[in-house]
Amino acid sequence: SQTIHQWPATLVQPVGSPLSLECTVEGTSNPNLYWYRQAAGRGLQLLFYSVGIGQISSEVPQNLSASRPQDRQFILSSKKLLLSDSGFYLCAWSYRTGASYEQYFGPGTRLTVT
Amino acid sequence: AQSVTQPDIHITVSEGASLELRCNYSYGATPYLFWYVQSPGQGLQLLLKYFSGDTLVQGIKGFEAEFKRSQSSFNLRKPSVHWSDAAEYFCAVGDWAGTALIFGKGTTLSVSS
Repeated sequence: SQTIHQWPATLVQPVGSPLSLECTVEGTSNPNLYWYRQAAGRGLQLLFYSVGIGQISSEVPQNLSASRPQDRQFILSSKKLLLSDSGFYLCAWSYRTGASYEQYFGPGTRLTVT
Repeated sequence: AQSVTQPDIHITVSEGASLELRCNYSYGATPYLFWYVQSPGQGLQLLLKYFSGDTLVQGIKGFEAEFKRSQSSFNLRKPSVHWSDAAEYFCAVGDWAGTALIFGKGTTLSVSS
């Protein structure tokens, strides 16, 4: 069965510090991978998605970046965090069967920028 | 523009009562529709999806949803709510390629005894 991991689970970082959040998927190969951010009362906002190693699409211009160094690893980074980067970050992967697909989410990382 | 609207921010339902959560979408192409549930501090769990065929779809935990193209709606229903159903519910729409899902802002469900 497939499993998605995220770490850390919680993180408190000062403004201006760097960020690295990691997501890995087990039990599948060549998945589509996604980073979402969830802010209170605002639903989920897609930040990045990737259809393969080194292939990253950005949905929202910001001071965040994403990388996919391995097939099942997706990393979200920032060189200098802003207060507005606080939120709940969710990694997801999608599974396709024929014309249908499903998107599965990891447990999330709660980021607080102070 | 593509969007999903969940008109109700917060709903309270008595345990054992029926539930309907509303979802309206605006999408230029054939919509692929999803409902997710999120418990506090957790990730999202897929409840059900609609791609084609029968417009009434069954999901996990006793939930169902009905796709109504004429009303651009995909409302989630459950005949009898349990206290464990208290959570936040998200409706989402996607394209055929699955490159991105657009989410509504969510509806928080509280269950009273």
